[in-house]
Amino acid sequence: AQKITQTQPGMFVQEKEAVTLDCTYDTSDPSYGLFWYKQPSSGEMIFLIYQGSYDQQNATEGRYSLNFQKARKSANLVISASQLGDSAMYFCAMRLSNTGNQFYFGTGTSLTVIP
Amino acid sequence: DAGVIQSPRHEVTEMGQEVTLRCKPISGHNSLFWYRQTMMRGLELLIYFNNNVPIDDSGMPEDRFSAKMPNASFSTLKIQPSEPRDSAVYFCASSLDLSTDTQYFGPGTRLTVL
Repeated sequence: AQKITQTQPGMFVQEKEAVTLDCTYDTSDPSYGLFWYKQPSSGEMIFLIYQGSYDQQNATEGRYSLNFQKARKSANLVISASQLGDSAMYFCAMRLSNTGNQFYFGTGTSLTVIP
Repeated sequence: DAGVIQSPRHEVTEMGQEVTLRCKPISGHNSLFWYRQTMMRGLELLIYFNNNVPIDDSGMPEDRFSAKMPNASFSTLKIQPSEPRDSAVYFCASSLDLSTDTQYFGPGTRLTVL
C-alpha cells in the first residue's frame, strides 16, 4: 500500500515566486516523522526539513516551510522566493516508529524554476 | 565534517560479475541504511543496520544481494552475480541512531550492468 503520495510529477514556478509541493501520507501509527529531501540533477539526496507527528508548530528552515495538516494527513513543502538553484526533484518521506524506523519515500515532484 | 562517503561513484560491469559497493557513514552515527533508486520503482530501502547489526533486510531483492557492516565506519553491499536489472543508483545513508529521525545520504553509486 502506498504510504506516501506525491501527486504532482512536475511543477513550474517563476523565479522569486513561492511554490507548494504536495505530499499526503497514510499511517495509523500515532508516532511518525515527515521529511523532505531535494535531489538535484547531480544526484545527491539533500535533507531539507523535518516535522514530527507531535510537533505543534509547522517546521521552517530558511526558505523552506512544511505545511503540516495532521487531520488531512498532508505535509506540503512550501518554498518561498524560488531560486534557479531550486530546480530539482523533491521527495517526501515518512518514518514509522512501529516498523523499525523505516523510511517510506514518495515518487517525487520535479520542480523547474523559470527565470 | 565529512558526510557519508560512498565508493565507487560509478561502476560499469558485465552481467555475471561480482559488484561491491562501499559506504562510510558519518562519524558517530550508529544507524546505516542502503537504498536503491530506479525510475520504475523509485527509492527502495534494501537493508539497515543499527550498531553494526542488521535490523531488517526484507527489502533485499534476492539472495544475490548481501550486505555487511564489519565495524562502525564501514559497510558493503555486494551483488553476486550481477544482472542488468540491478542497474540503478545505490545510496547509503546514516543517522545518529534509530530514534533520531534525520537520515543523511551519500552521493550514491551509479551501477550499470551490461
